Amino acid sequence: KQEVTQIPAALSVPEGENLVLNCSFTDSAIYNLQWFRQDPGKGLTSLLLIQSSQREQTSGRLNASLDKSSGRSTLYIAASQPGDSATYLCAVRLGRDYGQNFVFGPGTRLSVLP
Amino acid sequence: GAVVSQHPSRVICKSGTSVKIECRSLDFQATTMFWYRQFPKQSLMLMATSNEGSKATYEQGVEKDKFLINHASLTLSTLTVTSAHPEDSSFYICSASLTGGYQPQHFGDGTRLSIL
Repeated sequence: KQEVTQIPAALSVPEGENLVLNCSFTDSAIYNLQWFRQDPGKGLTSLLLIQSSQREQTSGRLNASLDKSSGRSTLYIAASQPGDSATYLCAVRLGRDYGQNFVFGPGTRLSVLP
Repeated sequence: GAVVSQHPSRVICKSGTSVKIECRSLDFQATTMFWYRQFPKQSLMLMATSNEGSKATYEQGVEKDKFLINHASLTLSTLTVTSAHPEDSSFYICSASLTGGYQPQHFGDGTRLSIL
């Protein structure tokens, strides 16, 4: 059974710092991996999607890497801002069939202090 | 970009009431929609997969008679929590994706359900 963990559970940094969020999954046979952002009481915003054949994806100040063989992904946030404060979730998709959905990690709660 | 609308955003009602939550894909057709539940400080857990024109597929431990799902069109899926009790209070989120494996999922803003 696929399990997804995220470290750290919570992180507080001063504005301007670069930071790395970690995601681990137990079964390397994934279809893709997606990073989401969730603001309190809100739904999810997709940040980056990495296919199983890809190594990394970049969008603005965000860079996500994927090492499928070791079951790890990282989300790198450059020059953090207070607006980046949110919970970041990683999720692995097990297959392309409709019945194979995401398994979510518990999230990392990020606070960027002004 | 693809937008998923979820309604209502918040519901407060008495125990025993049935509550319907709607999930709409506004600018694309979604053959499949997914329903998740999130308890405080926990991650999302998949409840069921909603397939247009057929019965939903429920995850283990989710009562299909309690959580009724209807996916009558390619743009609308509904989740009805029947005879809701306080333990059903949670944050419910739906998602949808374009047909095809490489498409990301797009999530609604969620519905916070509080049962008194």
